[in-house]
Amino acid sequence: SQQGEEDPQALSIQEGENATMNCSYKTSINNLQWYRQNSGRGLVHLILIRSNEREKHSGRLRVTLDTSKKSSSLLITASRAADTASYFCATVDVLVGYQKVTFGIGTKLQVIP
Amino acid sequence: DTGVSQDPRHKITKRGQNVTFRCDPISEHNRLYWYRQTLGQGPEFLTYFQNEAQLEKSRLLSDRFSAERPKGSFSTLEIQRTEQGDSAMYLCASSSGQLDEQYFGPGTRLTVT
Repeated sequence: SQQGEEDPQALSIQEGENATMNCSYKTSINNLQWYRQNSGRGLVHLILIRSNEREKHSGRLRVTLDTSKKSSSLLITASRAADTASYFCATVDVLVGYQKVTFGIGTKLQVIP
Repeated sequence: DTGVSQDPRHKITKRGQNVTFRCDPISEHNRLYWYRQTLGQGPEFLTYFQNEAQLEKSRLLSDRFSAERPKGSFSTLEIQRTEQGDSAMYLCASSSGQLDEQYFGPGTRLTVT
């Protein structure tokens, strides 16, 4: 079963605008990660935020985590056409010595040039 | 290239045939994961190896599926008596530490006709 639920499921914006994607989850987590997937390709890790962190930045990416609301958001600033992809949040639990990663269904982002 | 590689990238097979996929993780990574991804969904966890030991298997992994990681290096995923419902992208990922990010390969797209 998939834990993370991304919102919206599809987003279309103009180049230069900011894109915000949200993720909600159900159980307690160790950390939360965001991945990008171009059509028909493997996933690329974007950013990891640990459960004791509230905000993290990486280049044009900003991730927030609210463990009390069990939610996270990914903000891409000054979007580019190359940002067109599906974005997945993945929650991570550490169970029995391994990392159980559960992905949501993703947000499909289209950036129009 | 020192990333995760998968072979083949595409496989078309007839229902009832057996197929085997290979994953070569990043060389210093001792953790290896297999996921399955169907269209419009996020990846779903199938199984996990730490070195050569298969430590966790999802209920999604029916008796027709078997995975190995001899000598703790590359891994193979075999599907016996394929069914149309097995059509999906099969993704492999590897990581070094228990809490570290996973690096994904490009995937093997299986089509069962």
